[in-house]
Amino acid sequence: GDSVTQMEGPVTLSEEAFLTINCTYTATGYPSLFWYVQYPGEGLQLLLKATKADDKGSNKGFEATYRKETTSFHLEKGSVQVSDSAVYFCALAELAGSYQLTFGKGTKLSVIP
Amino acid sequence: GAGVSQSPSNKVTEKGKDVELRCDPISGHTALYWYRQSLGQGLEFLIYFQGNSAPDKSGLPSDRFSAERTGGSVSTLTIQRTQQEDSAVYLCASSPGQGVNGELFFGEGSRLTVL
Repeated sequence: GDSVTQMEGPVTLSEEAFLTINCTYTATGYPSLFWYVQYPGEGLQLLLKATKADDKGSNKGFEATYRKETTSFHLEKGSVQVSDSAVYFCALAELAGSYQLTFGKGTKLSVIP
Repeated sequence: GAGVSQSPSNKVTEKGKDVELRCDPISGHTALYWYRQSLGQGLEFLIYFQGNSAPDKSGLPSDRFSAERTGGSVSTLTIQRTQQEDSAVYLCASSPGQGVNGELFFGEGSRLTVL
């Protein structure tokens, strides 16, 4: 079945450091890929997405590129801020129009001043 | 309301009791989802509603779990005879259409603790 594997946390970085959170996936088809973020005390919200190979999703300074050859969708940000402290979830949807998202376990990021 | 609303936000119950968790989706959203988030685990899909019907109930962990949606709006997840392994955060999400190629809007979750 489908699965998403993301790097174990927690991750602690100093402000302005470079961030990478690795995500790889297993899927039988050609999935759409997502990053969701959960800020403290809030619900999950969509951060970015990509629907086909070599697409780059971007939002709030975060980027992730859909790499079909390595089945990866790593999340990056060049300079993190304290306000980026949150839990980040990688997810996939197997089919266009599919109603089911398969999530990774989440990676908790803490950014210290 | 402005977002997905879930209640209660926290529930502590004794083993063997029944609990009901409520989700009020964003107005006009036809699709509604329930997920479960256990400690150290990812989000586990439970059930999906399109309107009032649930095309896929296969994610429900056991027959102690049931869910309904009325009027194409509010949904209730019921857990009967709760067990300690049911302790988790139960998340509800809604979306405007059938597919997840758009965005799912999540509530803050209901944290269930079974003693």
